[in-house]
Amino acid sequence: AQKITQTQPGMFVQEKEAVTLDCTYDTSDQSYGLFWYKQPSSGEMIFLIYQGSYDEQNATEGRYSLNFQKARKSANLVISASQLGDSAMYFCAMREGSSGTYKYIFGTGTRLKVLA
Amino acid sequence: DSGVTQTPKHLITATGQRVTLRCSPRSGDLSVYWYQQSLDQGLQFLIQYYNGEERAKGNILERFSAQQFPDLHSELNLSSLELGDSALYFCASSVGGASGRGSYNEQFFGPGTRLTVL
Repeated sequence: AQKITQTQPGMFVQEKEAVTLDCTYDTSDQSYGLFWYKQPSSGEMIFLIYQGSYDEQNATEGRYSLNFQKARKSANLVISASQLGDSAMYFCAMREGSSGTYKYIFGTGTRLKVLA
Repeated sequence: DSGVTQTPKHLITATGQRVTLRCSPRSGDLSVYWYQQSLDQGLQFLIQYYNGEERAKGNILERFSAQQFPDLHSELNLSSLELGDSALYFCASSVGGASGRGSYNEQFFGPGTRLTVL
């Protein structure tokens, strides 16, 4: 069964340090996408970064990078130079499907707290 | 602002009642998804519509139903409400087509409707 696992319920990081949020997935599909979303205390879901299953390079978006290890089925999010505004809940998600039919599965999230 | 709108923002109702949540997707997006997020929980996928047709179903209760209209807005109907239905309900939209302009087909989330059942 398709599954997303985030094993870290909570993490602390010092401001300006880098932090890695873990995500492992399980799927039998060859074509899939992996996403990270941020949910601040205000509640909205903010798209951060995407990695396609066929992408050979790790995705990067500003201070966010995705450490994609396909053989290990992991898609860890790395946030560099943490800022106080990074304190939020972070969700890893997987998309499967094609041609207009998509299923998204979300992990249980990691709550990140950036310390001043 | 993601471009996805949801109304109402907050809804307080009593057990046994029925409510309707509304979602307008981003301009050009054909797919609409509904999610439920209970307190301190991840997102549970409920249902997906693509261009008016139901395409995928998740953990949606029989008391819940949804539809997508010709103008692509969507409504989620929740009936015979129970205390446990209290949650944040998100709508998201994506391009969703086989030849969509977005290679990611990432979802853009609305601000959510917070439902409280008393």
